[in-house]
Amino acid sequence: NAGVTQTPKFQVLKTGQSMTLQCAQDMNHEYMSWYRQDPGMGLRLIHYSVGAGITDQGEVPNGYNVSRSTTEDFPLRLLSAAPSQTSVYFCASSPGGQPQHFGDGTRLSIL
Amino acid sequence: DQQVKQNSPSLSVQEGRISILNCDYTNSMFDYFLWYKKYPAEGPTFLISISSIKDKNEDGRFTVFLNKSAKHLSLHIVPSQPGDSAVYFCVSRGSARQLTFGSGTQLTVLP
Repeated sequence: NAGVTQTPKFQVLKTGQSMTLQCAQDMNHEYMSWYRQDPGMGLRLIHYSVGAGITDQGEVPNGYNVSRSTTEDFPLRLLSAAPSQTSVYFCASSPGGQPQHFGDGTRLSIL
Repeated sequence: DQQVKQNSPSLSVQEGRISILNCDYTNSMFDYFLWYKKYPAEGPTFLISISSIKDKNEDGRFTVFLNKSAKHLSLHIVPSQPGDSAVYFCVSRGSARQLTFGSGTQLTVLP
């Protein structure tokens, strides 16, 4: 049982490049979400999904897209990376009403 | 405007003594609160939670207190151990299971 798996762990991009951060969970959780953590701040919600085919915006959605074609996977896409998106990204999942389980994060730097 | 505030960025405590971490919130609609613990290079892990209908919840060495009238939570760790050294996030859960994080308190337990 791997829990929540995020790939890659580290990534450096140039401004304007695109990339997808992968998130997979093997616990059959219906709820998945993406957060970013910036220095001196708590985690902020980017997008979330309450089930396959359903996604919605969180607190800081601009510049990011998500999709949820399966229960297991919830990728986060940066279409045109900007330096302001340099951050640590965390994916989380949970069954109904229970605390969320977090992955170990992806550290993203945009030059 | 921060809805969940942790005003102490850091706290140092001697091993065996009590650690008290504080948190204030502004949104009276929050009805469920959690504490997460985070080690470097790992994702946050759930520690303890409390519903707004309670004023105390205990789990082993960890106790969370809620004062709704003051919009204040505290986490007590007794006795503190070196392995408790981590960043502690105060978190509220709102609609659609969205989590709002405080900025965190770095706890250092000195041997």
